[in-house]
Amino acid sequence: QVQLQESGPGLVRPSGTLSLTCAVSGDSISSSNWWSWVRQPPGKGLMWIGEIYQSGKTNYNPSLKSRVTISVDKSKNQFSLKLSSVTAADTAVYYCARSPGGNLDFWGQGSLVTVSS
Amino acid sequence: QSVLTQPPSVSGAPGQRVTISCTGSSSNIGAGYDVYWYQQLPGTAPKLLISSDNNRPSGVPDRFSGSKSGISASLAISGLQAEDEADYYCQSYDNRVSPSYVFGTGTKVTV
Repeated sequence: QVQLQESGPGLVRPSGTLSLTCAVSGDSISSSNWWSWVRQPPGKGLMWIGEIYQSGKTNYNPSLKSRVTISVDKSKNQFSLKLSSVTAADTAVYYCARSPGGNLDFWGQGSLVTVSS
Repeated sequence: QSVLTQPPSVSGAPGQRVTISCTGSSSNIGAGYDVYWYQQLPGTAPKLLISSDNNRPSGVPDRFSGSKSGISASLAISGLQAEDEADYYCQSYDNRVSPSYVFGTGTKVTV
């Protein structure tokens, strides 16, 4: 069974950089899948942030592209998210997920990140 | 920034059938991209419910079914059960600016 687990600071200061890591088990980060990040502000809907392939190729949501960096670490079977210049509007539960092709079939449990001073 | 529109809520009695619509445009559903549906129970991560318009992943009851026509898609839940009370999201692909996943606005199903 594929499992994903997000980890990282739960509190980030405004104008700072949000950093999260997603550890993958039950599948190889080098398999023929893409790996995505999705976020959900409290009480609101889902927004796709971006995805990465094992080669390092990335696709980002145009609305966040200037602030997002997704990277992969094959040696640790994990991938990471960095979101810069954060504001309160970036407060959300951040999910990592596997993207086999057009959809998101396995999700992590989510990590709440609050942007506040 | 959702580009797929869903009704905010639908409700039904146990045993009834409810449907949730998902309306997009020519750059996503209308372009022929597959539609997927997710179920999000309170306090949990979304779970893939319907894949590629109308395919159920292993373990998903056949009470759930999907369809697509033109720029819209629908999720039907027949034989509604109390455990179906959740938020439901549609998802597709959009090529308007650059290829990206797009989600619906979400629908709360109340039993």
